[in-house]
Amino acid sequence: EVQLVESGGGLVQPGGSLRLSCAASRFTFSNYWMNWVRQAPGKGLEWVANINQDGSERYYVDSVKGRFTISRDNAKNSLYLQMNSLRAEDTAVYYCARDQKSSTGWHAGWGQGTLVTVSS
Amino acid sequence: EIVLTQSPATLSLSPGERATLSCRASQSVSSYLAWYQQKPGQAPRLLIYDASTRATGIPARFSGSGSGTDFTLTISSLEPEDFAVYYCQQRSNWPPFTFGPGTKVDIK
Repeated sequence: EVQLVESGGGLVQPGGSLRLSCAASRFTFSNYWMNWVRQAPGKGLEWVANINQDGSERYYVDSVKGRFTISRDNAKNSLYLQMNSLRAEDTAVYYCARDQKSSTGWHAGWGQGTLVTVSS
Repeated sequence: EIVLTQSPATLSLSPGERATLSCRASQSVSSYLAWYQQKPGQAPRLLIYDASTRATGIPARFSGSGSGTDFTLTISSLEPEDFAVYYCQQRSNWPPFTFGPGTKVDIK
């Protein structure tokens, strides 16, 4: 069974930075598109970014473009999200999600999430 | 950006009853629609993709239908563990992938 473990969340002031990590195991990480999806407290799901198998393609929701960077290290089976210029509206649980093999869009495996709180 | 709307917002039913959840897209998404289940304090779980294909390990009581702009998730007979929030999501026109606001199925 897919295992994804997020880390790096916490409390940060507006304008600050945070780097999230997602450690993947029990599958061949380098074969899959990977995503970050967030959920503000008491709200619905919002897709944030994705990255293809070798890192050559990256896409973002407009609200984070220029502030967030998704990356991966296939040798370490790890996914990252560098978040800069954080705003209060970025407060959410951030989930790492794995797509189905050979395509992107259907998020078939999820971590348990890491909470990011942006507040002064 | 494709906007998804879900109805009803809340569905109050008893175990054993049939649940019918609706998702409507602001423009055609063909069959590129999925359904997820989320229980309190847990991550979402993929139930249905490509409008009608059950994901691995999903019980047969869950079924999806529809194409274009109108989609339905049906739970044929609610089990106690099915009371949760259900989200639809499209991958027809991305980025971004978009989710609906969710339908909460609670116990009557």
